[in-house]
Amino acid sequence: EVKLVESGGGLGQPWGSLRLSCAASGFTFSSFSMSWVRQAPGKGLEWVASISNDGDSTNYADSVQGRFTISRDNAKNTLYLQMDSLRVEDTAVFYCAKNPRSSGWIYFDSWGQGILVTVSS
Amino acid sequence: EIVMTQSPATLSVSPGERITLSCGASQTVDSALAWYQQKPGQVPRLLIYAASARATDIPARFSGSGSGTDFTLTISSLQPEDFAVFYCEQYRSWPPTFGQGTKVEIK
Repeated sequence: EVKLVESGGGLGQPWGSLRLSCAASGFTFSSFSMSWVRQAPGKGLEWVASISNDGDSTNYADSVQGRFTISRDNAKNTLYLQMDSLRVEDTAVFYCAKNPRSSGWIYFDSWGQGILVTVSS
Repeated sequence: EIVMTQSPATLSVSPGERITLSCGASQTVDSALAWYQQKPGQVPRLLIYAASARATDIPARFSGSGSGTDFTLTISSLQPEDFAVFYCEQYRSWPPTFGQGTKVEIK
């Protein structure tokens, strides 16, 4: 069974930083690309970033480009999202999501339970 | 970026009814279209990918169709557990984009 468990959320300050982690199990982590998707309170889904299975290719939404960095450690079966220069509008539940292939085809066949990030002074 | 538009925004229906949700793309996405279901307080769940392929363990009452710019999700006989918000997503082009969602509520 695929299991994705996010951690590291909480309260962040505007212009501050937070780092999210996602521990993966139940599948061969190093074979699949991974993504972060977020959902602001009461709003819809927004893709944030994706990384290929080997970590060589990354893509970002314009809204986070230059502020967020997605990375992975295949030896630890863990996905990360480093969030810098936080903005109030980054407040959302962040989901770690598995993609169906090693790269490309960015849809999401498994999701973590989500973790809340609140940006406020 | 490709804009995805879903209609209607809200659908009020009774259990047992057949419903059709629509999703339109601002430019062609071929068949690179997925549907998700999100129940209140829960995580989104993949229902359909490649416009018409059911994901693992998804009941046969859910079906998807369409290609290019116009897509539909049909639920043949709505069950009480199906009431939720449904999102479409295109993955033909970067960035992947979601529709705003259709809420299916109990009439």
